[in-house]
Amino acid sequence: NAGVTQTPKFQVLKTGQSMTLQCAQDMNHEYMSWYRQDPGMGLRLIHYSVGAGITDQGEVPNGYNVSRSTTEDFPLRLLSAAPSQTSVYFCASSYSPRGQGGGYTFGSGTRLTVV
Amino acid sequence: QKEVEQDPGPLSVPEGAIVSLNCTYSNSAFQYFMWYRQYSRKGPELLMYTYSSGNKEDGRFTAQVDKSSKYISLFIRDSQPSDSATYLCAMSALLSWIQGAQKLVFGQGTRLTINP
Repeated sequence: NAGVTQTPKFQVLKTGQSMTLQCAQDMNHEYMSWYRQDPGMGLRLIHYSVGAGITDQGEVPNGYNVSRSTTEDFPLRLLSAAPSQTSVYFCASSYSPRGQGGGYTFGSGTRLTVV
Repeated sequence: QKEVEQDPGPLSVPEGAIVSLNCTYSNSAFQYFMWYRQYSRKGPELLMYTYSSGNKEDGRFTAQVDKSSKYISLFIRDSQPSDSATYLCAMSALLSWIQGAQKLVFGQGTRLTINP
């Protein structure tokens, strides 16, 4: 049981490049989400999904795209990387999106630097 | 004003001490209250979560919620060097009435060091 797997662990991008951060979970969780973690800012929600085919924006969605074609995978796409997107990105999943806030499992993160 | 305020520390205490970590919040809609522990270069892991005001105990850890004061605490008894980590409080708010989706709002995290 691998939990939540994120790839790559590290990435350096040039301004304007695009890339996809991968997230996969093997726990059959319905709810998946992406957060970014910046010093002094805590973790902030980028996008979330309550099931295959259903996604919505969080509090900092600009510059990012998501899709959810399967229950297992929830990739995050950076459309045109900017230095402000330098951050650590975490994917999280939960067994229930319906009124229960506990039980989020986080991946180990992707450290992204945009130069 | 941030929805959740947490003293970032750093906090350094000797082994065996009782540690108290605290968060305040402003949004009365928060429904669930959690504490996560995050080791360096790792993802957060859930330590405790609670729904109602009062205390919840799990081994050396006690989570306390006071909804009337909008204040939550985490107490660590008999602290160990392995408890050295960043502790994040998190609170759950409803994102969508249709889907019932929740979002987590995190505090900044308190960096804790337990000295042998």
